[in-house]
Order: sequence, then structure tokens, then C-alpha cells
Amino acid sequence: QQPVQSPQAVILREGEDAVINCSSSKALYSVHWYRQKHGEAPVFLMILLKGGEQKGHDKISASFNEKKQQSSLYLTASQLSYSGTYFCGTTTGNQFYFGTGTSLTVIP
Amino acid sequence: EPEVTQTPSHQVTQMGQEVILRCVPISNHLYFYWYRQILGQKVEFLVSFYNNEISEKSEIFDDQFSVERPDGSNFTLKIRSTKLEDSAMYFCASSRTGGYSNQPQHFGDGTRLSIL
Repeated sequence: QQPVQSPQAVILREGEDAVINCSSSKALYSVHWYRQKHGEAPVFLMILLKGGEQKGHDKISASFNEKKQQSSLYLTASQLSYSGTYFCGTTTGNQFYFGTGTSLTVIP
Repeated sequence: EPEVTQTPSHQVTQMGQEVILRCVPISNHLYFYWYRQILGQKVEFLVSFYNNEISEKSEIFDDQFSVERPDGSNFTLKIRSTKLEDSAMYFCASSRTGGYSNQPQHFGDGTRLSIL
């Protein structure tokens, strides 16, 4: 039931773009995105509730394709501060499943 | 901005001992959660708690674990008879609502549990 993310890891130069995908074998009712920096707690980025919904936050945005049971996180013009592990998350009732995680490293 | 607080930040315990991890969720939140993250691995759901009872729990949350809200503010995770493999970072989180809601979960900074 755990969502699967791809890629597992990505290294970017500052200013480059990245896409992180999250897919589930089960129906997705909502998708959460979190970022976790090394040794810190996960920090909420955004939630998508409806199929087709897209959201943006600074230069980080996401889309949700309900039919394909997947979501994508888009990071444009990446900054050093974007480095961390990105997790998608989905809910089934009151149990929350984090995705497998994508490690993103932005280098100067 | 209100935040979830966890104590202690680091707990070192002998194998076989009991340990209690403490959390103070955000005051107007109704749903509380515990997660575990073994070093270098994914964040794993342990349990959700609502209205003074467990709402859901994962396979990891066996009889060794228990949760309690002893008063109006604290939310605790007790681990009995600790094992080496219980060593991990334990995160508490809270949200205003749960289930298929649009409310984010707010995480505490975690308690690093080391079992010797």
C-alpha cells in the first residue's frame, strides 16, 4: 500500500528543474507532499485533493492524476535549499502511508 | 506559529527496559500520530489516535507499544521491553482533522531512541 516514488535519487545543479513521481496501486483520495532535511522532521509542502488539481508553492508545484493513481512534484529553477528527501503520502482511513522517498541534492 | 514539541530529543536505554516518549500536539488539533524512521530508511506509520482511542495502527504497532493521552496536552508512546531494532527516530505529528481530509500533519522534531 506504500506509494512508490521515482527516481530514488537525483542530483541537480542550481537552477535546473526536476520532477518527482509518486504512484500507488490503490485509489488515491488525496496526495500529500513533504520534504525532510537530514536529521530533521518532515515538513509539509502541499496537499492535492482532486484529480487534475495542481498547486504551486514558490517554484515548487504538483499535479494529481486521479485516474492514473499518481502525482508529480515539479521543482523549477532549483535552489540549494531544495535539497532533502521528498516524500509523497496518501491516506487510507486514518492510516497514513509515506512513499518510498526521493533524495534530491542541489549543488552549486 | 504553534508547533508540536517532543521530549526528550535523545533517549538512550538498555535493551529490555521500558521507555516513554512524550509529545505535546498543537492545541486545537484532534488527530495525533506516531511514526518511526530507522536511520536512512523511510518514515513508517505506527498509530493514529483520535477521541482518546486508537484510530488505526500498523503491523509494526504490536503489543510492545501503547499510546496514551494522560491529560489534555500530552500524548505519549510507551515501548515495553525494548529491543535493539527499536532504535530509530520517533516522530509525533498532529492534524486538525484526519482521514481523507485536506489538513496537513505537523511534525515534531523527533526523539532519537538508542537501545544499547
